Amino acid sequence: AQSVAQPEDQVNVAEGNPLTVKCTYSVSGNPYLFWYVQYPNRGLQFLLKYITGDNLVKGSYGFEAEFNKSQTSFHLKKPSALVSDSALYFCASSSTGFQKLVFGTGTRLLVSP
Amino acid sequence: GAGVSQSPSNKVTEKGKDVELRCDPISGHTALYWYRQSLGQGLEFLIYFQGNSAPDKSGLPSDRFSAERTGGSVSTLTIQRTQQEDSAVYLCASRPSLHNEQFFGPGTRLTVL
Repeated sequence: AQSVAQPEDQVNVAEGNPLTVKCTYSVSGNPYLFWYVQYPNRGLQFLLKYITGDNLVKGSYGFEAEFNKSQTSFHLKKPSALVSDSALYFCASSSTGFQKLVFGTGTRLLVSP
Repeated sequence: GAGVSQSPSNKVTEKGKDVELRCDPISGHTALYWYRQSLGQGLEFLIYFQGNSAPDKSGLPSDRFSAERTGGSVSTLTIQRTQQEDSAVYLCASRPSLHNEQFFGPGTRLTVL
């Protein structure tokens, strides 16, 4: 069985500061990992994915994520936060990359001006 | 191009009534997924269609839930004899062949009174 954990319900950061949203995973076999963002009353938007290859994955809107196999983590990062980054962020895994997504509980990011 | 669309955007119904939720995937996408997002349960997988293969129904919470996908395109999620615990946002996603990212629609907010 696969599972994803997001240990923080909310992350607060000041605009211009770096941000990190944490995610750990538990999967059998190779992990297929994703980050999605949800703005109020909107569906989920894809940010980035890790399938194989480089441990640092770059995605949309300046976000990146670092895959760490030994720590079974896939933390989302951005060097300089914007107020407009405030949203709900979900980490997810898929057993083959094509099957259903298993989501974490979500982390609300609040960027203050 | 057009994204995934869902209708209605909001649906209010009385307990015991049947409801139908519609999803129009992105043209050419072979895979289609339904998820449910609720405060208590987070984001849950419901059902997955891939081409002409038998759907993965493993996430449907009860036999009151069913879904079909006609002609490999439009999908309808039907909930019979709705209960208050069915209140949630129902999200549809589609995915092109040989790609991993799922593209989500805006969701249908279902409220069962």
